[in-house]
Formats: sequence, structure tokens, C-alpha cells
Amino acid sequence: GAVVSQHPSRVICKSGTSVKIECRSLDFQATTMFWYRQFPKKSLMLMATSNEGSKATYEQGVEKDKFLINHASLTLSTLTVTSAHPEDSSFYICSIQLGPYEQYFGPGTRLTVT
Amino acid sequence: GENVEQHPSTLSVQEGDSAVIKCTYSDSASNYFPWYKQELGKRPQLIIDIRSNVGEKKDQRIAVTLNKTAKHFSLHITETQPEDSAVYFCAASIGGDMRFGAGTRLTVKP
Repeated sequence: GAVVSQHPSRVICKSGTSVKIECRSLDFQATTMFWYRQFPKKSLMLMATSNEGSKATYEQGVEKDKFLINHASLTLSTLTVTSAHPEDSSFYICSIQLGPYEQYFGPGTRLTVT
Repeated sequence: GENVEQHPSTLSVQEGDSAVIKCTYSDSASNYFPWYKQELGKRPQLIIDIRSNVGEKKDQRIAVTLNKTAKHFSLHITETQPEDSAVYFCAASIGGDMRFGAGTRLTVKP
């Protein structure tokens, strides 16, 4: 499999501030990375597909101006939650795709907005 | 788009018994069906997967079956152990577009 890291693992921020989450592929170059969010006891919901060197593709209902994604290199994608609100509190998980099929997930970032 | 349904939402079995989790998908173009195990607060871990050109795959105590005609696939865990307790997610994928089922919370009682 692939090794994927995320930073930070946990973050608490105040309402109205912005938070950046990093996703790194440690042993493979990843042209494509994915960002998911997961509410407690719920499934993973795809937010966006992050493409190296181009704009991310957002799923329907996900505000691209609120969830800014930057995939500046083949090993790093960042998700910035802008003007965070309590309803943005969630578990954010990234993944990378190896080949045409398998995805490997990062350890997740738990965001709490107070 | 793809819609994946997963049943049951919770499953409790006695240690040593078998557990079966079933999923259905809607898009016949889906060609990759992974199963993930997620423990509380941890990342989903791929435990087994199957591609659309295969009907069954087994890895020790875990097996997955796929019925493309009926558009459903199942996870079978035999000789369950307490450490199998977790939430299991099925998914269906077309290329990298992966959609997850709602999850099944499996509890294996010693």
C-alpha cells in the first residue's frame, strides 16, 4: 500500500477563522488526491478531487470558495476551510489513488469549530 | 450518479460465527468494489477488493462476492474474532470516483 499522512491530526479553531489541512503522499507521487469528510457515525462523503497542477473538481453541494483545495506538487494537497463555522466540524480524510483502482487513506484530521 | 446501499447497519455475532454484509450499487459502469474496515477515530483500511471481471475473491477468513447482473456484492467474514469488531464500509468506484455505503457496525461478542 501507500503511506499517506495528514497534518494536523486535530485542530480546534474559533468560528470565522480559516484552517489549513495538509495531505502528503510519502512514498508515491500522486497526480490525484481525494478529500472526504465524515460526520460522527456516518459514511465518508467525497468532497472534491484534487488534481496536481489544475483546479480541483468539487462534488455537488460542496462550496469551492469555502473549501479551498491546492495540489501544488505530486506529494502534497491542502484543504483550507475558510471562515469556519461549527457545522464545519467534522473528520476530514484525504486519500491517494494508486493505479486505476486502489485508494489509500490518510489518518484524518478532526476539526472542531467553537 | 452512483448510489451504494449497505445492509445491515449493525450486526452482532458470537465469536467464531460468520458475518455477512451486503451492498448494492446503481451504476452498472462501476468496476471496482473495495471493502474498508474503520476503527473509531482511525483511517479506513482496505481489507479486500474485487474488480468487475471477477466473481469471487478470498483472503484467509475474508471473502467478497460480486454479482454484476444483480449489481450487488457481499463481504463474508468467517470464524469471527473480537478484533474484527469495527465499522465496515463497502464502496463502488468508476475510475477514481468512489462512493461509499453507509457502513455496518460489526460487534463480535467473546
